Amino acid sequence: ETGVTQSPTHLIKTRGQQVTLRCSSQSGHNTVSWYQQALGQGPQFIFQYYREEENGRGNFPPRFSGLQFPNYSSELNVNALELDDSALYLCASSQAGGPGTGELFFGEGSRLTVL
Amino acid sequence: AQSVTQLDSQVPVFEEAPVELRCNYSSSVSVYLFWYVQYPNQGLQLLLKYLSGSTLVESINGFEAEFNKSQTSFHLRKPSVHISDTAEYFCAVSDPGNTPLVFGKGTRLSVIA
Repeated sequence: ETGVTQSPTHLIKTRGQQVTLRCSSQSGHNTVSWYQQALGQGPQFIFQYYREEENGRGNFPPRFSGLQFPNYSSELNVNALELDDSALYLCASSQAGGPGTGELFFGEGSRLTVL
Repeated sequence: AQSVTQLDSQVPVFEEAPVELRCNYSSSVSVYLFWYVQYPNQGLQLLLKYLSGSTLVESINGFEAEFNKSQTSFHLRKPSVHISDTAEYFCAVSDPGNTPLVFGKGTRLSVIA
């Protein structure tokens, strides 16, 4: 059984640039959630995708957007990067029933540094 | 909206000593509660969860947590810790149904030989 994989693992961008982070969900999972974990903080919910539709969003501005593909893999896009966007971005997959059932499987994250 | 408070940001403890990591959540009629562990440079792993039923839940590596509705708490305990337990521990809560997890800020457990 393949776990959740994320790419890239590390990247550095400058303010104002755009970034795309990718996530392959665990086999058999159809729901993907993205979380932002700033240094010294707990993960914060960005949004969730179920069957290619966004079906939940946290308190993040529209410059944070995403996609889910037919194979349930997902992308997180962030436009107009700001210094405060520096964080570990975690992808989590789950089966229908979503985060409320607690069966979230996390990838190891993409660490974004904005200079 | 739900919120989670982890009262201790860092907990140092000697090997083989007991430990308790505290977690309180905002009140709700019903909740799901979780503890996740994050080892250095890794993602989060589910340690244990409470969805319903017995208020005492256990993990395979000796941790346990007890859901206390009256105190809105879900403290994590282990009677004897090992060096390998050194990690960041996150408490999380959600409302039943397809709602996102709300995490606490984490507690860094450092086990000292």
